[in-house]
Amino acid sequence: EIVLTQSPGTLSLSPGERATLSCRASQSVRATQSVGGSYFAWYQQKPGQAPRLLIYGASSRATGIPDRFSGSGSGTDFTLTINKLEPEDFAVYYCQQYGSSPFTFGPGTTVDIK
Amino acid sequence: EVVLVESGGGLVQPGGSLRLSCAASGFTFSSYEFNWVRQAPGKGLEWVSFIDRSGATIFYADSVKGRFSISRDNAKNSLYLQMSSLRAEDTAVYYCARDRPGPLDAFDIWGQGTMVTVSS
Repeated sequence: EIVLTQSPGTLSLSPGERATLSCRASQSVRATQSVGGSYFAWYQQKPGQAPRLLIYGASSRATGIPDRFSGSGSGTDFTLTINKLEPEDFAVYYCQQYGSSPFTFGPGTTVDIK
Repeated sequence: EVVLVESGGGLVQPGGSLRLSCAASGFTFSSYEFNWVRQAPGKGLEWVSFIDRSGATIFYADSVKGRFSISRDNAKNSLYLQMSSLRAEDTAVYYCARDRPGPLDAFDIWGQGTMVTVSS
């Protein structure tokens, strides 16, 4: 089983600032050679709501996701960057690998208002 | 509109059983793979199970293997999770989630969740 570790646990920032969230995998996340990219995703969850897909393939934005969200990384180290935080971006963010079963999630990073 | 709606949650005693359903609309259900993901109160997300388009390939988390069974009915546009031998630690909101089309899929559409409480 691939264990995902997210850091920091909580990130306290002000609107307009940049958020950098990290996720480290205990072993390399499967990648595809055909289209490039890793089987790795980022989700956002707000209280009382279902998670929302932000990034898939480690760096591709999902439909409707603003371009202030970007993902990078491969192998065991992945990053989600949120440029110029908007009020609606304060939430919990989860990373996930879906390349090998079990499709594990990280414990989450809370981005809250400073 | 693409929608997933879970149902079937509720209060059940330890050792009991429950069947969750997920009704899909707004897309061709049979063309997609699906998952169940759960979230215990105040906790993070835990993937539970996966099923492919035909139901031939199925995966489970170790925590539910042998107790839970995922299935689908493509004619009814529905996904199911049969849960048995329930434990207190199975208490959670259960979400169904669709795999997005194409390579490098990920879970692009989620239902609103259904709460399962295991308690005497």
